[in-house]
Amino acid sequence: NAGVTQTPKFQVLKTGQSMTLQCAQDMNHEYMSWYRQDPGMGLRLIHYSVGAGITDQGEVPNGYNVSRSTTEDFPLRLLSAAPSQTSVYFCASSSGARGEKLFFGSGTQLSVL
Amino acid sequence: GENVEQHPSTLSVQEGDSAVIKCTYSDSASNYFPWYKQELGKRPQLIIDIRSNVGEKKDQRIAVTLNKTAKHFSLHITETQPEDSAVYFCAASNSNTGKLIFGQGTTLQVKP
Repeated sequence: NAGVTQTPKFQVLKTGQSMTLQCAQDMNHEYMSWYRQDPGMGLRLIHYSVGAGITDQGEVPNGYNVSRSTTEDFPLRLLSAAPSQTSVYFCASSSGARGEKLFFGSGTQLSVL
Repeated sequence: GENVEQHPSTLSVQEGDSAVIKCTYSDSASNYFPWYKQELGKRPQLIIDIRSNVGEKKDQRIAVTLNKTAKHFSLHITETQPEDSAVYFCAASNSNTGKLIFGQGTTLQVKP
């Protein structure tokens, strides 16, 4: 099993560009989530999903969209990138119904110039 | 909204000493409290978790205590070793919403 796979690992964008961060898990987990990590601010929840077809906003959802059309995939879309979105992004999944025992992906380091 | 506060932000101890990290949460409906360890350049990994119907849980040198009345929980690491050096995060979630909120993290340095 690959676990939680995130692509790309690194990305540089210009302000205003759009892109999608991919996240896939092969553990048949219902729960998936996206966090961003910034120095001194911990892990902040962007969006999460408790199952296919269901998504919900986290602490910092503005500027990001998600969808959950399959159990395996949970892509994160930046519609118009801003320098404030420069961060490390982690996708995570859980076999628990509510995010218990999260497995994290290896992260995507995003820079917006 | 939900909030999790974590203290201290940095902690330095001598090898063999104990380390304690404390967290408070705002949502009284929170009922699941995990702790994650993140080594430099790596992903966070779960080290221990506790549910609201339990006051304390131990796993070898690591223990977590929960005080639901005061809405705070703590991580205790005994006999610290240099490999315990990392960033530790607490988190709290409400099983009704599924929203897992993390604290700001504590950088633990264990000096040999």
